[in-house]
Amino acid sequence: DAMVIQNPRYQVTQFGKPVTLSCSQTLNHNVMYWYQQKSSQAPKLLFHYYDKDFNNEADTPDNFQSRRPNTSFCFLDIRSPGLGDTAMYLCATSRDAGTAQETQYFGPGTRLLVL
Amino acid sequence: DAKTTQPNSMESNEEEPVHLPCNHSTISGTDYIHWYRQLPSQGPEYVIHGLTSNVNNRMASLAIAEDRKSSTLILHRATLRDAAVYYCILIGDDKIIFGKGTRLHILP
Repeated sequence: DAMVIQNPRYQVTQFGKPVTLSCSQTLNHNVMYWYQQKSSQAPKLLFHYYDKDFNNEADTPDNFQSRRPNTSFCFLDIRSPGLGDTAMYLCATSRDAGTAQETQYFGPGTRLLVL
Repeated sequence: DAKTTQPNSMESNEEEPVHLPCNHSTISGTDYIHWYRQLPSQGPEYVIHGLTSNVNNRMASLAIAEDRKSSTLILHRATLRDAAVYYCILIGDDKIIFGKGTRLHILP
């Protein structure tokens, strides 16, 4: 009963070569989040969608973009990956963003390696 | 800016209680305290959350100090499957602030 699915689980790309990571959910949640987690560090929120409204964190580099074509799917695009973008990328969902009580449901993550 | 502080690592024996502390002295009045844990090679999973009162669920208990500047996650009877990184997180209006996490080792 997978609820938040991320594809691929592992991705290798070359320096500067655009890459897209995919997330889908079967929960019909309004909110989808993207986090970056570097080795031995806590997850760092990049941005989130509340329905179709995009909310970028202030310190997220312009190199990172996102698309949400429908409720179920959300994509993370890295336009020109650098070596420092090697990380685990986590997608999460929550039913609503209007309350700080909402539980987030995380996918298993995509481990990205930039060579 | 609000932040959370957690010990880097802790050890506990199997079948004993575990108390995982978190300091959040700059917490705002409307911030909720959430705990998630992350097993190796997996995404974080929800454990428990609270605002002011202590909370219990099937996984754990959360004890929140009266001044809300600290909290403690309590695992009543640790098993080997509880070995993970435990994150204390403040979630409020327009903010999600992760602590650096405590790596919990369970000794058989």
